[in-house]
Amino acid sequence: TQLLEQSPQFLSIQEGENLTVYCNSSSVFSSLQWYRQEPGEGPVLLVTVVTGGEVKKLKRLTFQFGDARKDSSLHITAAQTGDTGLYLCAGSSRSNDYKLSFGAGTTVTVRA
Amino acid sequence: ETGVTQTPRHLVMGMTNKKSLKCEQHLGHNAMYWYKQSAKKPLELMFVYNFKEQTENNSVPSRFSPECPNSSHLFLHLHTLQPEDSALYLCASRRTRDTDTQYFGPGTRLTVL
Repeated sequence: TQLLEQSPQFLSIQEGENLTVYCNSSSVFSSLQWYRQEPGEGPVLLVTVVTGGEVKKLKRLTFQFGDARKDSSLHITAAQTGDTGLYLCAGSSRSNDYKLSFGAGTTVTVRA
Repeated sequence: ETGVTQTPRHLVMGMTNKKSLKCEQHLGHNAMYWYKQSAKKPLELMFVYNFKEQTENNSVPSRFSPECPNSSHLFLHLHTLQPEDSALYLCASRRTRDTDTQYFGPGTRLTVL
């Protein structure tokens, strides 16, 4: 089993502030996905990163994959109330038949 | 809209009932997955199918019985469930030849009384 640890577990910020969520592992992944999930809904894919050191931007969201492909971060600039949700990271590797290993998630609440 | 649909969205059943969950993907993917998501726990992989063949059963109790008649449809047949089986059941799909990324359906919220 490849464990992914997410931190923090909970994050509550004011609208307009910045936030960063971390995803760490001792395992190397061939790719890492970030999802956002709202209550009672399925996870919605935000991004997939595959190259060590890769940085991807999606509007106000910036995703980084660590050089060693063991960790990742998600940074949100000027958070909005619509960013509220559960953020999940998931890694896959050839050694695990490309099955996804999920972190426990970070619950982000953006207050108006 | 992710291209993966699940029905029903909500299900309440007694421990002696038999019910089925349905998943359909419109993405042309060949692999399909069932996950269980319980409160305060990471997503748990239950079953994996690739080109209709089951490739993974993650020690799931036999009261959960999956069925994959073709690459676009996946079912989870439920019988004699326990209250601790109450959870959000998620289906996902993937095109294995060119991506690790899985796309999820909206889930079925199951409550076992």
